[in-house]
Amino acid sequence: DAEITQSPRHKITETGRQVTLACHQTWNHNNMFWYRQDLGHGLRLIHYSYGVQDTNKGEVSDGYSVSRSNTEDLPLTLESAASSQTSVYFCASSRDRVNEQFFGPGTRLTVL
Amino acid sequence: RKEVEQDPGPFNVPEGATVAFNCTYSNSASQSFFWYRQDCRKEPKLLMSVYSSGNEDGRFTAQLNRASQYISLLIRDSKLSDSATYLCVVFHYGGSQGNLIFGKGTKLSVKP
Repeated sequence: DAEITQSPRHKITETGRQVTLACHQTWNHNNMFWYRQDLGHGLRLIHYSYGVQDTNKGEVSDGYSVSRSNTEDLPLTLESAASSQTSVYFCASSRDRVNEQFFGPGTRLTVL
Repeated sequence: RKEVEQDPGPFNVPEGATVAFNCTYSNSASQSFFWYRQDCRKEPKLLMSVYSSGNEDGRFTAQLNRASQYISLLIRDSKLSDSATYLCVVFHYGGSQGNLIFGKGTKLSVKP
């Protein structure tokens, strides 16, 4: 069955370290998204991609970067982790822009 | 004004009760509307799309009022398994080519 996976599921890191969160989908979806979810804020879009070599900034992109070298993967990199980036991170993909997004199980990141 | 606003909740209801959630959106050009469900510590999943004529899926009924920019979700005969957070989601083409905008969610707790 097609799916979307994230790794690691939990990570603890220190301030200033570079961290990369992986996202992999097997639906062959062109569109992929990264969100963070915090209490009081709901889901906020970090970066998104509409296809290979395409990346775009979302609402809260500062301190994050993504790259899209193939259809299946959209890794999210925190260049220099900060305590404010402690959050739950969800990756999602969709067949087209106006319809359902399928979410991965999430990565719980703690920055100490 | 926030792009998507929902009842703050939480809603605590007994099994068998009927409960209604409301949502308003600010962009009159919004084109697609959805309700997602998110269980505690899990990823969001699509519950149902919302169509202009209103639509029903078993015990769930969704309504859209474009003139008032208002979306609702009605759950009849609540089950314990309906306990979750319900996210109102809106799509519109914007400066970033269009993305889903998520409300912060309304928490429902169904008690025996």
